[in-house]
Amino acid sequence: EAQVTQNPRYLITVTGKKLTVTCSQNMNHEYMSWYRQDPGLGLRQIYYSMNVEVTDKGDVPEGYKVSRKEKRNFPLILESPSPNQTSLYFCASSLYPGIAYNEQFFGPGTRLTVL
Amino acid sequence: DAKTTQPPSMDCAEGRAANLPCNHSTISGNEYVYWYRQIHSQGPQYIIHGLKNNETNEMASLIITEDRKSSTLILPHATLRDTAVYYCIVRGHGSSNTGKLIFGQGTTLQVKP
Repeated sequence: EAQVTQNPRYLITVTGKKLTVTCSQNMNHEYMSWYRQDPGLGLRQIYYSMNVEVTDKGDVPEGYKVSRKEKRNFPLILESPSPNQTSLYFCASSLYPGIAYNEQFFGPGTRLTVL
Repeated sequence: DAKTTQPPSMDCAEGRAANLPCNHSTISGNEYVYWYRQIHSQGPQYIIHGLKNNETNEMASLIITEDRKSSTLILPHATLRDTAVYYCIVRGHGSSNTGKLIFGQGTTLQVKP
């Protein structure tokens, strides 16, 4: 089954404790992306990756890092989480976005709470 | 990418057609109209897309006006499981495209028994 998986699905942590949210896709997609969703602000893109070893900032990259060492994985790293990073996070993947018609597949979400 | 305008909420009776409108008056010729939905904090789900012709798939139909300034997503027989936030998104394609989807506030569709 074609899917995007995220782990963990729920996480409660404390300020400053480094964490990683993993994202994996099994569709051989070139493109992967991270969004965060907050009430009243909708979904906002954090980082994206056009292919292996190619990453770029989205609209709200501060406080986050990503890496793309393999095509299927795109982990989101919070080196020193703060309470304002409490949010619902979604990973997405698709074929290269430069081509016509491009459905993005989203993961189930990771609900992060930073105390 | 062009901006879209959707009503914030709509109700629909179960079994009836749900017609969700979207205005995208500044759409350009190479921009597609996409519809996604998000069921209660789950990951957004692709529904359908179109350029200028009407489209239909197993989930929905998409009607795009001739001037392409607006479109309507039709769920022909809405069920309670169709209760969700529906997002209309306009996106172009090309080598400069970053792949970012701009979701906006969407329309919250409430399907009632």
